Amino acid sequence: DQQVKQNSPSLSVQEGRISILNCDYTNSMFDYFLWYKKYPAEGPTFLISISSIKDKNEDGRFTVFLNKSAKHLSLHIVPSQPGDSAVYFCAASASAGANNLFFGTGTRLTVIP
Amino acid sequence: GAGVSQSPSNKVTEKGKDVELRCDPISGHTALYWYRQSLGQGLEFLIYFQGNSAPDKSGLPSDRFSAERTGGSVSTLTIQRTQQEDSAVYLCASSPNRGTLANEQFFGPGTRLTVL
Repeated sequence: DQQVKQNSPSLSVQEGRISILNCDYTNSMFDYFLWYKKYPAEGPTFLISISSIKDKNEDGRFTVFLNKSAKHLSLHIVPSQPGDSAVYFCAASASAGANNLFFGTGTRLTVIP
Repeated sequence: GAGVSQSPSNKVTEKGKDVELRCDPISGHTALYWYRQSLGQGLEFLIYFQGNSAPDKSGLPSDRFSAERTGGSVSTLTIQRTQQEDSAVYLCASSPNRGTLANEQFFGPGTRLTVL
């Protein structure tokens, strides 16, 4: 049973435009959320996180929005750059220090120059 | 600087054979995790080590799967009598301390296992 869902397997965006990647979760105990980025033949690397006490966290071109009532979060990348082309995984845990991360299936972002 | 390394990068085996996957964590990292990603699935947690002990092995899918860690460093994941459904990318991650923020898990490149 997939507790973290990324319903869009792929997304293509023109360079300079905004990329919006979506993620839904089912477990109301999750209170810490992360986005990872993965290039081919490499492991996922941490990108940005958000605690459930916030509804927005921003880091440069990357912003994560959390809607707890809808159990939905999204990652916005603006402006999108060709180097952002990768697979993006959403992950959740029951606390910031939890050992067990629950991952979504990933969304492949392609930024077209 | 050395990150998390895993070997082999690719492994093709026949159904019924045993396989060993290796993970070398970042030096000094006390926590180590194994995940796997099957086709079309998210990363699935398998087991967590703190030092050489495994306080959470809840994600191991069957008793054919086992893992050990020695010297607080290298870990091996062993799959006995492999089945086709074991085909996946097996990822290892390490983090500096017990209870470290989840965002400080550093992942290796993974081992792609194919069971024919």
